[in-house]
Amino acid sequence: NAGVTQTPKFQVLKTGQSMTLQCAQDMNHNSMYWYRQDPGMGLRLIYYSASEGTTDKGEVPNGYNVSRLNKREFSLRLESAAPSQTSVYFCASSAIGTGAYEQYFGPGTRLTVT
Amino acid sequence: ILNVEQSPQSLHVQEGDSTNFTCSFPSSNFYALHWYRWETAKSPEALFVMTLNGDEKKKGRISATLNTKEGYSYLYIKGSQPEDSATYLCASPLGQDSSYKLIFGSGTRLLVRP
Repeated sequence: NAGVTQTPKFQVLKTGQSMTLQCAQDMNHNSMYWYRQDPGMGLRLIYYSASEGTTDKGEVPNGYNVSRLNKREFSLRLESAAPSQTSVYFCASSAIGTGAYEQYFGPGTRLTVT
Repeated sequence: ILNVEQSPQSLHVQEGDSTNFTCSFPSSNFYALHWYRWETAKSPEALFVMTLNGDEKKKGRISATLNTKEGYSYLYIKGSQPEDSATYLCASPLGQDSSYKLIFGSGTRLLVRP
């Protein structure tokens, strides 16, 4: 049982380049999330998908777009990367997204924008 | 309190010591309180999700209490072991109609010396 998987694990981009971070879960969860983690700031929610076919903004959505491709997959796209987007990105999922259910996290993607 | 706050920021203890740390959150519109354990180079793993005032949860040597009226939760570790070294995060959905949006504290980093 793989749980939540993310690709790639590491990525280096130049300013202005675009890329998509992929996330998939095999737990039949309804809700999925993208977070970024910066030193001293904990985890901050970028976007979430309460259920298949819906997406909503979190705390820090600027510069990102998301797609809930199907129930399993939730991707995060950086259209024009900026150095401020250098961070570790975590995807997570939960059975139901009402906040009363624990979230399961992927292994993270470490992104550096030069 | 308008955010989720944790204290202390870091804690160094000797093996065998018992320790505790605090998570503070807004007491109005409370929905749930999450605790996660985050080891270095790994991803966060859920310890507890608590929803009721007075809730107490236990997993091995780790336990947590919840006071929703005054807006705080304590995490206790009895007889700390080196393998307990990790960052402990708490999180709560904040804001009206935002039960999906977990807001994380910046964490308490625990180091247990052998």
